[in-house]
Amino acid sequence: AQSVAQPEDQVNVAEGNPLTVKCTYSVSGNPYLFWYVQYPNRGLQFLLKYITGDNLVKGSYGFEAEFNKSQTSFHLKKPSALVSDSALYFCAVRDDFKNRDDKIIFGKGTRLHILP
Amino acid sequence: DTGVSQDPRHKITKRGQNVTFRCDPISEHNRLYWYRQTLGQGPEFLTYFQNEAQLEKSRLLSDRFSAERPKGSFSTLEIQRTEQGDSAMYLCASSLDSPNTEAFFGQGTRLTVV
Repeated sequence: AQSVAQPEDQVNVAEGNPLTVKCTYSVSGNPYLFWYVQYPNRGLQFLLKYITGDNLVKGSYGFEAEFNKSQTSFHLKKPSALVSDSALYFCAVRDDFKNRDDKIIFGKGTRLHILP
Repeated sequence: DTGVSQDPRHKITKRGQNVTFRCDPISEHNRLYWYRQTLGQGPEFLTYFQNEAQLEKSRLLSDRFSAERPKGSFSTLEIQRTEQGDSAMYLCASSLDSPNTEAFFGQGTRLTVV
């Protein structure tokens, strides 16, 4: 069965500095990986995904993520943080294992706090 | 297309009552997911459908929970004999039936059991 871990409950970054939010995963087949963001009292919004190909994927709001197969990681990054990036971030994984166990599983989330 | 719609947005019920939530997915999406989210936590998988077929129900889910998607379009999630521990945000998401497509979420239904 697939699983995903976000080791940090909270990440604090000064505005203008680069940020990284960590995610590791476990799947039986090939992974499909996603990042979502949730602002207070709002639904989850899709940021970006890795399917295949280039290990660095770019998404909304200047975010990008790096897929590392050997480390089974998919860390979210942004070169320069904005105060408006403060939110809850979720990593998710979907397995392409052929037994159709391909539901999307989410991590527990990382609260990103950008300090002005 | 107005996205994934959930109704109601908020529900307050007394312990022991039954509640039912509705989800209308994006029209061409044949995958539909239900998740439960408590404050500050990630979405916890409950169940999912491909068209009208329920593919899996979480083993952690009590028998008090049931979901249907009778015509492969909208879905309902029913909780019988609600308990205070059922208080949470219930999220619905939909996607195309392809593993490389993302799921789109509704705004959720916040359930409070008093």
